[in-house]
Amino acid sequence: QLQLQESGPGLVKPSETLSLTCTVSGGSISSSSYYWGWIRQPPGKGLEWIGSIYYSGSTYYNPSLKSRVTISVDTSKNQFSLKLSSVTAADTAVYYCARHGTVLLSFDIWGQGTMVTVSS
Amino acid sequence: EIVLTQSPGTLSLSPGERATLSCRASQSVSSSYLAWYQQKPGQAPRLLIYGASSRATGIPDRFSGSGSGTDFTLTISRLEPEDFAVYYCQQYGSSPPGGFTFGPGTKVDIK
Repeated sequence: QLQLQESGPGLVKPSETLSLTCTVSGGSISSSSYYWGWIRQPPGKGLEWIGSIYYSGSTYYNPSLKSRVTISVDTSKNQFSLKLSSVTAADTAVYYCARHGTVLLSFDIWGQGTMVTVSS
Repeated sequence: EIVLTQSPGTLSLSPGERATLSCRASQSVSSSYLAWYQQKPGQAPRLLIYGASSRATGIPDRFSGSGSGTDFTLTISRLEPEDFAVYYCQQYGSSPPGGFTFGPGTKVDIK
């Protein structure tokens, strides 16, 4: 079945750029029925949607993060990626990648998550 | 931006009891765009309910969702030991600025 797996550095320095990749296995990222998103969760806190991308490259972002976020897709590798610039300690969180439908706007498949700590 | 409020913050119940969780939106939400998730410690959230009342694949029928407009409810008819977790509601807003927001969560713990 479809699985998502996040990868990337677990430690990022303040003011630098956080970069994560989500690899989709067991299915194609080029499905016309789905978007691919990033959600994060600071330790002990709730969930925050970061942004989503369609296989064509169309994106939409959380307005509160939009100025610092770039999400891209590589259909040849069945991957999509997150870049978050100018990070601070407030960006320390578990970062999840997840799938949502174009019609059913809920996240039905999630990766296991990866912890990213922002610290010098 | 639509803000979701969940109540209570914590619900202390015993196995076999009924749990009723509330999610209130700051403005009307399309029922099609309201979902509920369960999250256990160290795990990713799991989709329980989409479209306010439809159970996701593999979700037991003791979980049910209802509501419309600004008030939505997740009901667990008889709590099983594995149901003690944190529950989040989520909405999608199509009007600008658009996108997804989550409620702060309700923790269901063992009394």
